[in-house]
Amino acid sequence: QKEVEQDPGPLSVPEGAIVSLNCTYSNSAFQYFMWYRQYSRKGPELLMYTYSSGNKEDGRFTAQVDKSSKYISLFIRDSQPSDSATYLCAIFTGNQFYFGTGTSLTVIP
Amino acid sequence: DTGVSQDPRHKITKRGQNVTFRCDPISEHNRLYWYRQTLGQGPEFLTYFQNEAQLEKSRLLSDRFSAERPKGSFSTLEIQRTEQGDSAMYLCASSARQSGDYTFGSGTRLTVV
Repeated sequence: QKEVEQDPGPLSVPEGAIVSLNCTYSNSAFQYFMWYRQYSRKGPELLMYTYSSGNKEDGRFTAQVDKSSKYISLFIRDSQPSDSATYLCAIFTGNQFYFGTGTSLTVIP
Repeated sequence: DTGVSQDPRHKITKRGQNVTFRCDPISEHNRLYWYRQTLGQGPEFLTYFQNEAQLEKSRLLSDRFSAERPKGSFSTLEIQRTEQGDSAMYLCASSARQSGDYTFGSGTRLTVV
């Protein structure tokens, strides 16, 4: 079993839609949870970072962690064409990251 | 400070040749990571430095791979006798804290022909 599982998509939504991206993880000891955005041929860019269960909001982005079910989510409100990218969930153990495979998102104008 | 810098951005090499990549982390970041990313996959951990000490290495890092961070600042990743399977994006990331929020560089894209 992989440490982090993520549906690769692709996901295609109309502009203005609410996007939900999800990952599950295997080890309940994992403490730090991140979402990265990656544009083609670029390195990952940190979007959201949290270390506790619950919601964290930053503008149009909300990260949600449910440690009891080992489930993490990223919600994007009022999606824009500029949000089109690959979104990677990541778990940080304190020594290394485990990344999901990434979900490719396209927001259609 | 312009973030994590990686050089070169692209490298095309013939199978069997040696290649070396460089990563310059954000100033005063003592933690530095190397990751490898292939198409359609998330980054995979290769190795981790805290200052100049290499604290952890993945099993992915075969004998042909070596990484250094001699003065605790920039780091190099060398691949000897490259194989076609080494073709990937090699990413470097750095942080000042153990808890995360690492900054990634734009990566070095290696193509072995």
